[in-house]
Amino acid sequence: GAGVSQSPRYKVAKRGQDVALRCDPISGHVSLFWYQQALGQGPEFLTYFQNEAQLDKSGLPSDRFFAERPEGSVSTLKIQRTQQEDSAVYLCASSFTDRTDTQYFGPGTRLTVL
Amino acid sequence: AQKITQTQPGMFVQEKEAVTLDCTYDTSDPSYGLFWYKQPSSGEMIFLIYQGSYDQQNATEGRYSLNFQKARKSANLVISASQLGDSAMYFCAIVSTGMLTFGGGTRLMVKP
Repeated sequence: GAGVSQSPRYKVAKRGQDVALRCDPISGHVSLFWYQQALGQGPEFLTYFQNEAQLDKSGLPSDRFFAERPEGSVSTLKIQRTQQEDSAVYLCASSFTDRTDTQYFGPGTRLTVL
Repeated sequence: AQKITQTQPGMFVQEKEAVTLDCTYDTSDPSYGLFWYKQPSSGEMIFLIYQGSYDQQNATEGRYSLNFQKARKSANLVISASQLGDSAMYFCAIVSTGMLTFGGGTRLMVKP
């Protein structure tokens, strides 16, 4: 069975460029999450969707970060005017029900901003 | 707010031996869940085991078991019969008030 998939796996951007990261959750999973993982640290929460509704975006570090899940399945995390401090691995996870349920993670997108 | 602490940045274990990875937590919520994830060098976070705060028995999944001591607020992961493929980062996490919070991780290295 298919797990969570993310694309691209690696992205190199010049400072100031916009990037879009895609997440395809496990089929049938209601909830979707985005995390940011800096080198050598644990993942940190960015945002949470239940179906198409973004219920929590408290972890987004600035208004340059935007996420959407328009049809309640695939999600896109967009970062505008990238900065060097945005360099990290961006992990997507999905769960069958809500945010108390076990989250299953994708392989992540490693973003490097030069 | 909840917090997870993993005090062992790195550990070595001999192949086929058991190893315990430490995790302590802090939350004021009486209902919470504890998770362990494995992150190999490929980067994906692999779910290993879950323990609910009201579960009476310690969780087990194959070679993984969770030593849950509620009074001490600890949720240590025990891996029995270590294999070379167990070499990875291991993260403890707590879900409380709807938020999943991770610790800083422990890097486990299995020696042949």
